[in-house]
Amino acid sequence: GQNIDQPTEMTATEGAIVQINCTYQTSGFNGLFWYQQHAGEAPTFLSYNVLDGLEEKGRFSSFLSRSKGYSYLLLKELQMKDSASYLCAAMDSNYQLIWGAGTKLIIKP
Amino acid sequence: IAGITQAPTSQILAAGRRMTLRCTQDMRHNAMYWYRQDLGLGLRLIHYSNTAGTTGKGEVPDGYSVSRANTDDFPLTLASAVPSQTSVYFCASSTGLAPSDTQYFGPGTRLTVL
Repeated sequence: GQNIDQPTEMTATEGAIVQINCTYQTSGFNGLFWYQQHAGEAPTFLSYNVLDGLEEKGRFSSFLSRSKGYSYLLLKELQMKDSASYLCAAMDSNYQLIWGAGTKLIIKP
Repeated sequence: IAGITQAPTSQILAAGRRMTLRCTQDMRHNAMYWYRQDLGLGLRLIHYSNTAGTTGKGEVPDGYSVSRANTDDFPLTLASAVPSQTSVYFCASSTGLAPSDTQYFGPGTRLTVL
């Protein structure tokens, strides 16, 4: 079957660095996505990886290892506004996104 | 309007009633999607449309129907609502089906079926 696993909740301190891990199993693979979702709001796109390696975009970076079925999202210089859920999603061979349940990130001052 | 709009924002519905959730985008995107989001579960695809005039079934299509008469609109209909359809429903759109085509989400409709 198809499955995405990510931690349910993480806590970090303002100004620190946090890494949110995601493992995936899909029928075929066409890329790994990370979305941010603030409480009560719509998901918004953060990153897309299809090749192995690290993609950096400002304070956020995303890493992919296709051989391990593994990705992580790295958030640096955490700000209070980064408190949100982070959704990992893998695109399968039918070009449909398979979503994880999300990781709720709590930032403490 | 800019982006994707959904209506209503929230709705309480009696079981057995028919309900249509509306979704409109003004980005001229070809592909559109309906997801439901339940606590503790990932977003699940209900139906999708690759282009106007075509629709397809996602992971959880039972009890739902869609139509795509034009590029902009993609309504989702619950023919006879049941309590298990209580959820937050998100409409999304993308330029196409290429993996690099980002999906943009509407603000969601919170539906409660009693």
